[in-house]
Amino acid sequence: NAGVTQTPKFQVLKTGQSMTLQCAQDMNHEYMSWYRQDPGMGLRLIHYSVGAGITDQGEVPNGYNVSRSTTEDFPLRLLSAAPSQTSVYFCASSYSQAAVTEAFFGQGTRLTVV
Amino acid sequence: AQTVTQSQPEMSVQEAETVTLSCTYDTSESDYYLFWYKQPPSRQMILVIRQEAYKQQNATENRFSVNFQKAAKSFSLKISDSQLGDAAMYFCAYRNFGNEKLTFGTGTRLTIIP
Repeated sequence: NAGVTQTPKFQVLKTGQSMTLQCAQDMNHEYMSWYRQDPGMGLRLIHYSVGAGITDQGEVPNGYNVSRSTTEDFPLRLLSAAPSQTSVYFCASSYSQAAVTEAFFGQGTRLTVV
Repeated sequence: AQTVTQSQPEMSVQEAETVTLSCTYDTSESDYYLFWYKQPPSRQMILVIRQEAYKQQNATENRFSVNFQKAAKSFSLKISDSQLGDAAMYFCAYRNFGNEKLTFGTGTRLTIIP
């Protein structure tokens, strides 16, 4: 099925470890983004990209890196995991900045940093 | 910066009854979009309904409808004939025209009582 695919679905990291959360979409969407969801705080934007080679920071970018080498992929890197990064992470994609298009979300990654 | 406020952390409703979830937002923009997303226990983010700010007519999708009050910056969701499958977390979200970034509220957890 077409859509946004996130891997892994669950991950446990030790403090200081690094890892990459993968996100891929097969809908040729220009815009991709990463959000984190914490209890009582809704979803907050970490980083986003308006196209291959272009990325920018969102509301809570510290501790995370992104790159966009292709239209399809938008990985999120945690350089040195901290307990404060324990959260559920969502990748989303959408097509156009002009029209009211729907944002498609992946199924999320539950990350625990111990 | 835009903000979205959901003042009801939890709501409950009897099956087959009607429930209204509240959302207010703050913006200085005149062109924007508003959304309600549903997040069931599966964690998947599902678009329920959307409203373009320039449209005076309230959006409706089957049992779901909104009451959009632009001057009051209010965007409530009404669910009619509530069903057990409606049990979920509901998020209100805002997006500026020409920008794909979503700003989410903190969510309302809806429980359906059989």
